[in-house]
Amino acid sequence: DTGVSQDPRHKITKRGQNVTFRCDPISEHNRLYWYRQTLGQGPEFLTYFQNEAQLEKSRLLSDRFSAERPKGSFSTLEIQRTEQGDSAMYLCASSSYQTGYTEAFFGQGTRLTVV
Amino acid sequence: GNSVTQMEGPVTLSEEAFLTINCTYTATGYPSLFWYVQYPGEGLQLLLKATKADDKGSNKGFEATYRKETTSFHLEKGSVQVSDSAVYFCALSETSGGSNYKLTFGKGTLLTVNP
Repeated sequence: DTGVSQDPRHKITKRGQNVTFRCDPISEHNRLYWYRQTLGQGPEFLTYFQNEAQLEKSRLLSDRFSAERPKGSFSTLEIQRTEQGDSAMYLCASSSYQTGYTEAFFGQGTRLTVV
Repeated sequence: GNSVTQMEGPVTLSEEAFLTINCTYTATGYPSLFWYVQYPGEGLQLLLKATKADDKGSNKGFEATYRKETTSFHLEKGSVQVSDSAVYFCALSETSGGSNYKLTFGKGTLLTVNP
């Protein structure tokens, strides 16, 4: 297992465009989390899934954001009508019931720049 | 709500110096506490954790003790190396029944170790 992978690593888009990011968790990790990290700040929770069910969304997740995890495997995060304020690092993490969910493994992130 | 406050950086030390990065937290329940490290160009990695009061987490020469009475989880290392240069994040997650185990992070502390 190669860990949590995210694609793409970098994305530059024009304001108003839609973007989609993908996260592949560690296999058999049933929890998957999305976080957003802006410059000089720690990561902030956006949403999480247990298997295919999205169980919580942060108030940071505006209506322009949507996340899915079909079949409980990989997840996608889509941002519609991007704004400059969406520029950030988007991090994905997964965890397993076997560790009591206390240990989250992070991907390298997708850096989004909105111009 | 939950929050984590950690020592502002940047911190610059000479090799073999003693390191302390302070971290205090506010939580409504009984959190687990973590230190994550982010090396240049890499994703967040779990450095150490403690799941209950008075536990000591340790890894790679780093240590931190869960102090409930002072709501603190300070990171220490007796002799830092150049390879320890990274950003360090203190974090907590609620672990009570039904918890989502989402992480709340501090802002991060940049450590630079000079030869």
